[in-house]
Amino acid sequence: DAGVTQSPTHLIKTRGQQVTLRCSPKSGHDTVSWYQQALGQGPQFIFQYYEEEERQRGNFPDRFSGHQFPNYSSELNVNALLLGDSALYLCASSLDRGRRNEQFFGPGTRLTVL
Amino acid sequence: RKEVEQDPGPFNVPEGATVAFNCTYSNSASQSFFWYRQDCRKEPKLLMSVYSSGNEDGRFTAQLNRASQYISLLIRDSKLSDSATYLCVVKGDTGRRALTFGSGTRLQVQP
Repeated sequence: DAGVTQSPTHLIKTRGQQVTLRCSPKSGHDTVSWYQQALGQGPQFIFQYYEEEERQRGNFPDRFSGHQFPNYSSELNVNALLLGDSALYLCASSLDRGRRNEQFFGPGTRLTVL
Repeated sequence: RKEVEQDPGPFNVPEGATVAFNCTYSNSASQSFFWYRQDCRKEPKLLMSVYSSGNEDGRFTAQLNRASQYISLLIRDSKLSDSATYLCVVKGDTGRRALTFGSGTRLQVQP
């Protein structure tokens, strides 16, 4: 049973560029959430996708956008990258009707913006 | 004030010790509570859910006090492999599906 997978594992970009990160949820899960984790901090919620729509959004600017596909996989796009966007980006999957909506995390994509 | 507050540590304890972590949360409407464990440069992994009645999983015991908005995690007989950062996590009511994380408490178990 495959867990949550993310690609790529590492990425280096320069300021102003755009980036796309990808996530495949755990088998049987239908909901994908994205989090940003800066060094020494807990993950911060970016947004959640369910039924191919953004269902909830955290306190992140419009430069952060996403998409969910019919197979439940998801992408996170960040435009006009800033140095402060350097972080570990985590994808979490869950089952909308699951027990307590427990979320399971992928290994993350480490983004460095130079 | 942060929504979820934890003592950052680090807690340095010898093998076999008992260690307790505490966490407070500000949103009284929060419905679900969790402890996640995160190893260095890895993803957070669900350690246990926290129930109002308290719950135990082997050497780990979690408690919730809704009146005080306080969550705790007790680790008995610490192992070297318990060294990690422990994240206190709160989820709001059904209208708020995001997990809100504390900054984590770092535990270092020493031989």
